[in-house]
Amino acid sequence: EIVLTQSPGTLSLSPGERATFSCWASQSVNSNYLAWYHQVPGQAPRLLIRGASTRATGVPGRFSGSGSGTDFTLTISRLEPEDLGLYYCQLYGRSPPYIFGQGTKLEFK
Amino acid sequence: EVYLVESGGDLVQPGGSLRLSCAASGFTFINYWMAWVRQAPGKGLEWVANINQDGSAKYYVDSVRGRFTISRDNAKNSLYLHMHSLRPEDTAVYYCAREVLNHILEDYYADFWGQGTLVTVSS
Repeated sequence: EIVLTQSPGTLSLSPGERATFSCWASQSVNSNYLAWYHQVPGQAPRLLIRGASTRATGVPGRFSGSGSGTDFTLTISRLEPEDLGLYYCQLYGRSPPYIFGQGTKLEFK
Repeated sequence: EVYLVESGGDLVQPGGSLRLSCAASGFTFINYWMAWVRQAPGKGLEWVANINQDGSAKYYVDSVRGRFTISRDNAKNSLYLHMHSLRPEDTAVYYCAREVLNHILEDYYADFWGQGTLVTVSS
């Protein structure tokens, strides 16, 4: 069974800075299967990136995804106040269950 | 606009049962896979189950298989989760989500989520 590991656990940055989130898979995966979500505490998750690098509809251009094989990255080029919260990667594919990483918390200094 | 509205969450004793519902609107319900994802208090997201467009295929995470049943009523644009033999570790906010699972285009993601309904299993 594939495991997704996200790092860091918490990211403390300032508005305007660049944020980088990592997601590692325990074995090589098809990049089409990798999605990223943002969740503000108390709210539902929101799809940011699908297929490792394709922004979902309405997602600002400051969000980008990259990676292949076992290593995937979500980057926010310039942080805005509304970017606070939790970020999750999720692995889809042809066989459920569709696992999530444990999440990375983004907080402002 | 796509809307997913969950209901049915409640406080239930261990061993009890509950049925969650998700009312969908703003899209052609029958065209999509649908899923339940849960989040225990202070914890991360856990995919629970999904169902294909006509209800003929259903998949579950191991921890709920045999206790939970996912179903849908396409005439009512509704998704359900029947939960039995509930355990304290099932305590969570349960989200309904629309999934895109296209093996031909290799598109896989959950693009719309409801706001969730809280299930608390405690004596």
